[in-house]
Amino acid sequence: GQQLNQSPQSMFIQEGEDVSMNCTSSSIFNTWLWYKQDPGEGPVLLIALYKAGELTSNGRLTAQFGITRKDSFLNISASIPSDVGIYFCAGPGGTSYGKLTFGQGTILTVHP
Amino acid sequence: GAGVSQSPSNKVTEKGKDVELRCDPISGHTALYWYRQRLGQGLEFLIYFQGNSAPDKSGLPSDRFSAERTGESVSTLTIQRTQQEDSAVYLCASSLGRRNQPQHFGDGTRLSIL
Repeated sequence: GQQLNQSPQSMFIQEGEDVSMNCTSSSIFNTWLWYKQDPGEGPVLLIALYKAGELTSNGRLTAQFGITRKDSFLNISASIPSDVGIYFCAGPGGTSYGKLTFGQGTILTVHP
Repeated sequence: GAGVSQSPSNKVTEKGKDVELRCDPISGHTALYWYRQRLGQGLEFLIYFQGNSAPDKSGLPSDRFSAERTGESVSTLTIQRTQQEDSAVYLCASSLGRRNQPQHFGDGTRLSIL
């Protein structure tokens, strides 16, 4: 089945630093989604990408849909303590367009 | 509330017992999804309901797992004869069921099998 490889697995940064993480797939995706999960909560959608080459921002977050349609990147600028959490990439998991395949997540820790 | 509601939030049970997990989707959402998240892992798709169509059960790991949904409302995920490997957080999501409509997640049920 489809697999998503997400890296890095974890990041420890200082407040104010920029963060970059990426996700690659074994097959072409038509949609890329980035979610954030706080402890004890469900994932929350941050950014959705629907077109190859698309660059979309949401506040300090910027995500890009790779030209090859097999990768995506998420950048966080000027990190703050509340950015702490697990970030997941996700994409359509097969012919049922509703179900999603998730990456394994990037754990972000921000030191004040 | 306006979000996806799951109950119980935590469940501890003995190996071999059956458990039933409940999900109340956002009102008006025709699509409902169940995912499993093991410790330190991403989410694994289990089952997907869309309106009155036959559910997509392709992610259910064994015949001990089943799920039902009444119309476009509540869903229950049942795990029979639980095993220790079933310990995980079970997350439910709902969406409007149309292309490119985002999935909204509940906070999950943390299931621990002793």
